Amino acid sequence: QQQVKQSPQSLIVQKGGISIINCAYENTAFDYFPWYQQFPGKGPALLIAIRPDVSEKKEGRFTISFNKSAKQFSLHIMDSQPGDSATYFCAARAGFQKLVFGTGTRLLVSP
Amino acid sequence: GAVVSQHPSRVICKSGTSVKIECRSLDFQATTMFWYRQFPKQSLMLMATSNEGSKATYEQGVEKDKFLINHASLTLSTLTVTSAHPEDSSFYICSANDSPGSPLHFGNGTRLTVT
Repeated sequence: QQQVKQSPQSLIVQKGGISIINCAYENTAFDYFPWYQQFPGKGPALLIAIRPDVSEKKEGRFTISFNKSAKQFSLHIMDSQPGDSATYFCAARAGFQKLVFGTGTRLLVSP
Repeated sequence: GAVVSQHPSRVICKSGTSVKIECRSLDFQATTMFWYRQFPKQSLMLMATSNEGSKATYEQGVEKDKFLINHASLTLSTLTVTSAHPEDSSFYICSANDSPGSPLHFGNGTRLTVT
């Protein structure tokens, strides 16, 4: 129940396209859902986060869609650029407890 | 924004020696810091939670005598890999937040190679 399932494992998108990464969870106590971006050899960087009281949050080209009833949330990257090529991790947390990470999605944006 | 600095970024050591990795919160005080381990092409695995002024809490399966954690101040936590062996080679990443429940920020990681 503590798991966060992430898909796809890898994704190739053309430059200018939309990248979509999905995550699903079981623990209804989760109340914080961040997305992290990680480049090779670097630590994860917080990209955007959402709480379950809203269904969507947008920051620039990055949007989180949240479906509380389905217990799913997704990251949309609009107008994907080669510089967006990285590994993306979704995560979830219940209150002050530890962050639970998804398995990661390797995104490649082709020029 | 919250910045977490980790040092060194890379370290190579011989089998049997110990290695210390430092994690600092540069512009905030962190009562809690977290240490993760990441294998190639895998997700982050939480090793332990470090609390300032008290003993760290280790996740199941993590050897506390091998991975010594010290959190002596509100801005510094250290991870010492004792008697390192090649199987300890990995990417170690620390993280911190400025208050419980606030966003977690990560350092840039330390690539440890044990020869």
